[in-house]
Amino acid sequence: ETGVTQSPTHLIKTRGQQVTLRCSSQSGHNTVSWYQQALGQGPQFIFQYYREEENGRGNFPPRFSGLQFPNYSSELNVNALELDDSALYLCASSYYTGELFFGEGSRLTVL
Amino acid sequence: AQSVSQHNHHVILSEAASLELGCNYSYGGTVNLFWYVQYPGQHLQLLLKYFSGDPLVKGIKGFEAEFIKSKFSFNLRKPSVQWSDTAEYFCAVNEPGANNLFFGTGTRLTVIP
Repeated sequence: ETGVTQSPTHLIKTRGQQVTLRCSSQSGHNTVSWYQQALGQGPQFIFQYYREEENGRGNFPPRFSGLQFPNYSSELNVNALELDDSALYLCASSYYTGELFFGEGSRLTVL
Repeated sequence: AQSVSQHNHHVILSEAASLELGCNYSYGGTVNLFWYVQYPGQHLQLLLKYFSGDPLVKGIKGFEAEFIKSKFSFNLRKPSVQWSDTAEYFCAVNEPGANNLFFGTGTRLTVIP
């Protein structure tokens, strides 16, 4: 176990809906990163949060947004869901730019 | 932009066979290199990493990897695999101090008892 917990583990949405995924970081970690892992692909960096501010972003549109809270937990929000958003969403926590510890992911299916 | 290639998509080995998984990256500057493993139904976990120094890196569970700068490669090896090594293996790279990792597409390893 890494101490990084994600919820929900599975969810199904329809096109156009909005989704919020949650992540609790490991104790002592102040940085949270989100990755999208499509079927048969490696994880792709969405963005990172440090001290409640976005601290780097990958090649994802603005409808992917996030938050980090004072306790370092984080949310990933995706608006206007598209079929291609179906994927495993991984949260990873770290202490600054140290080793990433991943959660087990939230599997999103968009119909 | 950086990218990582893992040419072996699925590798099937018998127990006690030797393993080598290929990883090549494209980036001309200094890089950090990683191998992650994802066992069935479990989270991604770090096997080993290279930041600098000795290009032969030893990780957990008997795995090692060699950084060959001239070939832009960081291949993963294990002299004798076990059934419990059945998993998906991901190579990843980033620049020192960067806040994101670039992952390869992964190699699925199946070890037959």
